[in-house]
Amino acid sequence: AQKVTQAQTEISVVEKEDVTLDCVYETRDTTYYLFWYKQPPSGELVFLIRRNSFDEQNEISGRYSWNFQKSTSSFNFTITASQVVDSAVYFCALSEAGSNSGYALNFGKGTSLLVTP
Amino acid sequence: EAGVAQSPRYKIIEKRQSVAFWCNPISGHATLYWYQQILGQGPKLLIQFQNNGVVDDSQLPKDRFSAERLKGVDSTLKIQPAKLEDSAVYLCASSLVGSSYNEQFFGPGTRLTVL
Repeated sequence: AQKVTQAQTEISVVEKEDVTLDCVYETRDTTYYLFWYKQPPSGELVFLIRRNSFDEQNEISGRYSWNFQKSTSSFNFTITASQVVDSAVYFCALSEAGSNSGYALNFGKGTSLLVTP
Repeated sequence: EAGVAQSPRYKIIEKRQSVAFWCNPISGHATLYWYQQILGQGPKLLIQFQNNGVVDDSQLPKDRFSAERLKGVDSTLKIQPAKLEDSAVYLCASSLVGSSYNEQFFGPGTRLTVL
């Protein structure tokens, strides 16, 4: 079963628009961690943020913000005033702390974001 | 601090041939992961090492894939014989320790094309 769902396959916006990338996860563990990674055209995955299941505080980092809601099992990512350099594939991932897990990341299928001038 | 190194960056082989990929994790990182990323999908774990021991290889196709991490540092992933569906990017990642909260650092990947 897919543990992380990113329903948006591709999003295209014009520069300076705000954009939200959706992520819905599924787990039976009470302790888990959620991540967002960025994969630019160069291919290397770049870590953006980590959130643990006990911390539902939203976080803002520059133009990036994250909204974690356990009630809806969602961990959405918003880019404010998007720029061309934000064009990339963004992955949401889940790591479960259960005893049977190896702490590997369960990735969603990714959302490809294209920001045009 | 040097990142995760992988080689080669690209490899093209014919089906039924064998191929090997190499990964050098960040110095001091005990945990090493190999992921397979098929075009249009997210990375999928193949195998995880803690030092030189295997933690999870449940998704590794063991009839054709093998991996080792001698001395708990470098790792190699081998495919023998390769199939067309093995065409993918193979990503190596490392983390300081194996835990769910530890950030994983990824290498640039090896893009494999099987003809």
